Amino acid sequence: DVKVTQSSRYLVKRTGEKVFLECVQDMDHENMFWYRQDPGLGLRLIYFSYDVKMKEKGDIPEGYSVSREKKERFSLILESASTNQTSMYLCAAGWSGRSDEQFFGPGTRLTVL
Amino acid sequence: KQEVTQIPAALSVPEGENLVLNCSFTDSAIYNLQWFRQDPGKGLTSLLLIQSSQREQTSGRLNASLDKSSGRSTLYIAASQPGDSATYLCAVADTGFQKLVFGTGTRLLVSP
Repeated sequence: DVKVTQSSRYLVKRTGEKVFLECVQDMDHENMFWYRQDPGLGLRLIYFSYDVKMKEKGDIPEGYSVSREKKERFSLILESASTNQTSMYLCAAGWSGRSDEQFFGPGTRLTVL
Repeated sequence: KQEVTQIPAALSVPEGENLVLNCSFTDSAIYNLQWFRQDPGKGLTSLLLIQSSQREQTSGRLNASLDKSSGRSTLYIAASQPGDSATYLCAVADTGFQKLVFGTGTRLLVSP
């Protein structure tokens, strides 16, 4: 099975801090995704990457950036954290040429004070 | 823009019942449809994936069907168990980079 890991399960940051969320996958998947999940709004796509150094905006990219320097690692960056970025952040990896399934990490619960 | 709806939003059943969860989507030009399970505070676990050319997939007590032309999918759970209690999410992948659009989920409670 594909394993997708995220650097932290819980994170508490202050308004204005720069925040890094890291995601690593171990199955050579081409595509990686960052979603956020909020009550009543469901999961929404922030950014995705289909190859090293390639990135595309999702539905809600404002206030975020991403980095993919290696195939297995996809980082989400909050340049200046704000309270409305308090959320559950989920990373996913998908498409290996063998399977189209997307596999998700355990999530990072971020609280911005 | 693709929209995904799941009905019902919540469902409570006694152990042993068979049940059906519904998912509908507005744009039939999908690459595939995936059903996930999410336990409270946790990530998503993939249950079943149906390619756009397929009609159904089965895994153990789970069976998912897809009617692309009508924009509908159902997840059938046979002989439900308390361990099935979770939120079930349906997601459709677009034909480009397979970005997922999610429904808001059905919260299932199976009581002993």
